Amino acid sequence: KQEVTQIPAALSVPEGENLVLNCSFTDSAIYNLQWFRQDPGKGLTSLLLIQSSQREQTSGRLNASLDKSSGRSTLYIAASQPGDSATYLCAVRGSNFGNEKLTFGTGTRLTIIP
Amino acid sequence: KAGVTQTPRYLIKTRGQQVTLSCSPISGHRSVSWYQQTPGQGLQFLFEYFSETQRNKGNFPGRFSGRQFSNSRSEMNVSTLELGDSALYLCASSPVMAGELFFGEGSRLTVL
Repeated sequence: KQEVTQIPAALSVPEGENLVLNCSFTDSAIYNLQWFRQDPGKGLTSLLLIQSSQREQTSGRLNASLDKSSGRSTLYIAASQPGDSATYLCAVRGSNFGNEKLTFGTGTRLTIIP
Repeated sequence: KAGVTQTPRYLIKTRGQQVTLSCSPISGHRSVSWYQQTPGQGLQFLFEYFSETQRNKGNFPGRFSGRQFSNSRSEMNVSTLELGDSALYLCASSPVMAGELFFGEGSRLTVL
């Protein structure tokens, strides 16, 4: 059974700093991994999708990496802004037949201090 | 391009009742999936549909069911509601199976 962990559960950093969010998964048989952000009471917004054959993806100030062999992904946010404050979730899709469902991590609540 | 639309946004039911939630995917998207989000359990996968066929199912009791129509719109139904069914129910669509997911704002269900 796939388990996805995100540590820390909460993180506060001053505006302008670069930061890294972590996502660990127990089963390396994955099809892809997706990072989302969720604002309070809202749905999820897709940030980046990494296919299992890729090592990283970039979008603006965001960079996500994937290391399947070690079961880890990181989301790098450059030059953080107060608008980046949200809960960040990673989700892993399995690649084995009968286990292609999406498993979410518990999230990291990020607060950017102005 | 319109995003994923979920209705109703908020609803209150009592124990034992049933509820139907609706999801309209982004135009052209053929895959729809449903998730339950609670403070205690986080985000949990319910089921996934593609071209009107259920492709994957999570570990929820049979009271939870869903379907997808020929226009890709989807509904999920929860029968015999329990207090523990109170949650934010999220729908996501994707152009292909296992593709990038785009979420709606969710339907917040409160069971009294």
